[in-house]
Amino acid sequence: AQSVAQPEDQVNVAEGNPLTVKCTYSVSGNPYLFWYVQYPNRGLQFLLKYITGDNLVKGSYGFEAEFNKSQTSFHLKKPSALVSDSALYFCAVRDHRGSTLGRLYFGRGTQLTVWP
Amino acid sequence: DAGVIQSPRHEVTEMGQEVTLRCKPISGHDYLFWYRQTMMRGLELLIYFNNNVPIDDSGMPEDRFSAKMPNASFSTLKIQPSEPRDSAVYFCASRGTVWGTGELFFGEGSRLTVL
Repeated sequence: AQSVAQPEDQVNVAEGNPLTVKCTYSVSGNPYLFWYVQYPNRGLQFLLKYITGDNLVKGSYGFEAEFNKSQTSFHLKKPSALVSDSALYFCAVRDHRGSTLGRLYFGRGTQLTVWP
Repeated sequence: DAGVIQSPRHEVTEMGQEVTLRCKPISGHDYLFWYRQTMMRGLELLIYFNNNVPIDDSGMPEDRFSAKMPNASFSTLKIQPSEPRDSAVYFCASRGTVWGTGELFFGEGSRLTVL
């Protein structure tokens, strides 16, 4: 079965410090991995995705994520956090085989708070 | 492009009433998804369509919930009768095929409160 785990409900970091939001996945076959961000009272917005190729993926707003197949992880990172990065972050995985083609499996989300 | 459009943005109703949520996907997208978000259960997939055909409705909580997609540009999620535990934010999302690599585009959500 496909699943995603975000082990931290909350991450707190000071502005200017690097941030990491963790994600591990379980999927049969090669995964398609995604990160989304949700600001208060808004829908989810796409940040970045890993499909194939370079393990380091760069996305919107200076975010990047590293795909690690041996650890089945896809952690979201940013070298220098901004207060405006405070939001709810979701990791998601899609299996590209079989009857579940099309369905995205989301984690429970991690609330990121960046303190000024 | 206007993005995924949902209506109403907010709905307050009384228990037992019928609720209809509406969604207009992005033009050209052939997948449409309905999600529900609550503090307790996070983001749940209710149902999704491909080319207007329901593919997986296993997430629909019970028979009180129904969803339709009569054409490529419109979908509804109906709850009848509504109950207080249905209070949540309901999101519609769409994407193009691109063999599964395309990202989802979400609407702004419909916040439902059932009293």
